Amino acid sequence: DIQMTQSPSSLSAYVGDRVTITCRASQSIGRSLSWYQHKPGKAPKVLIYRTSSLQSGVPPRFSGSGSETDFTLTITNLQPEDFADYYCQQSSSTPETFGQGTRVEVK
Amino acid sequence: EVQLVESGGGLVQPGGSLRLSCAASEFTFSDYWMSWVRQAPGKGLEWVANINKDGSGESYMDSVKGRFTISRDNARNSLYLEMSNVGVEDTSMYYCARWYYNEAWYFDLWGRGTRVTVSS
Repeated sequence: DIQMTQSPSSLSAYVGDRVTITCRASQSIGRSLSWYQHKPGKAPKVLIYRTSSLQSGVPPRFSGSGSETDFTLTITNLQPEDFADYYCQQSSSTPETFGQGTRVEVK
Repeated sequence: EVQLVESGGGLVQPGGSLRLSCAASEFTFSDYWMSWVRQAPGKGLEWVANINKDGSGESYMDSVKGRFTISRDNARNSLYLEMSNVGVEDTSMYYCARWYYNEAWYFDLWGRGTRVTVSS
């Protein structure tokens, strides 16, 4: 199985900050990487697919980059509604594994 | 509104069985692969199973193989997860998700989940 390692596991930030979350795959996954936002009691929501493609309806302050084993989710100008858990997920091979998550909290 | 709504969760004893359902609305259900993803208390997301468009192909995470069965009824726009011989490790929120391909596979639509608690 491909292991996905996210860092940090949590971070504190101010509204308006730029936030970066990284995700490392245990082997090359090409660009088969997506990012999800999850708030308590809500359905998870895809933000980015295929490493850097912005899902329809997602604000452009979210962006993704990377390839092979190293990937990044960046949130610029953090907004109050962005405080949530974030997960990366690879779809290069089954099982489609997730990172352990990053909690973005208000500072 | 395009949505997925899960149901069927609850309290079940170790070794017991449970059937989860997911009702799809406002999209052509039979055009999509579907999946179940779970989240144990305090833990991250974990893929459980996928099923292809016509229900002829399935895949599972290793720890549920032989115990869980994913199925679908395209006429009823519904996805199911039959859970048997459950253990405390299966305690989770279970999410139904649409598995979509657009240059890569990803979950493009999720439900809010149904909670399964395995306890005696």
